[in-house]
Amino acid sequence: AQSVAQPEDQVNVAEGNPLTVKCTYSVSGNPYLFWYVQYPNRGLQFLLKYITGDNLVKGSYGFEAEFNKSQTSFHLKKPSALVSDSALYFCAVRPLTDSWGKFQFGAGTQVVVTP
Amino acid sequence: GAGVSQTPSNKVTEKGKYVELRCDPISGHTALYWYRQSLGQGPEFLIYFQGTGAADDSGLPNDRFFAVRPEGSVSTLKIQRTERGDSAVYLCASRGVNTEAFFGQGTRLTVV
Repeated sequence: AQSVAQPEDQVNVAEGNPLTVKCTYSVSGNPYLFWYVQYPNRGLQFLLKYITGDNLVKGSYGFEAEFNKSQTSFHLKKPSALVSDSALYFCAVRPLTDSWGKFQFGAGTQVVVTP
Repeated sequence: GAGVSQTPSNKVTEKGKYVELRCDPISGHTALYWYRQSLGQGPEFLIYFQGTGAADDSGLPNDRFFAVRPEGSVSTLKIQRTERGDSAVYLCASRGVNTEAFFGQGTRLTVV
């Protein structure tokens, strides 16, 4: 069975500092990996995905993520955080055999960026 | 509208009652997904429609839960004999050909 772990319930960072949100996964075969963000009273928004190819994936709002197969990780990063990046971030995995929108989500990491 | 629309945004019901939650996907999106998000957890997959048919209902927790999409557009998630444990935010997502999945804002269901 597949699973996704986000080891940190909350990440606190000062504005302008680098932001990292961790994600590790367990799935048989090669997965598709995703990051979604959830702002208060808004739906989940797609940030980026890894399908194949370059291990460093660039996404929306200046975010990027690095796929590390040996460590089964897909950490989300942003070089310089903004207060507006404060939100709930979800890592998700989808095995190749499942339908495109059938995700296994992590529990989420609350990001708090302070001015 | 341009996005996925879910109604109502909030629903409070008494234990044992029947509820229906509605999802209007983005126009032209053939794939539709229902998820349930309990407090402090990530969304959990419930069911996936491709067109009018349920292609994968493996996430429905029991036979009290049922979903339909009769015309391949709007979908309704139906919960019979609601229990307090059904309280959660129910999310709907739709996807078109070669697009990502777009999520609605969700319906917050509270069973009292």
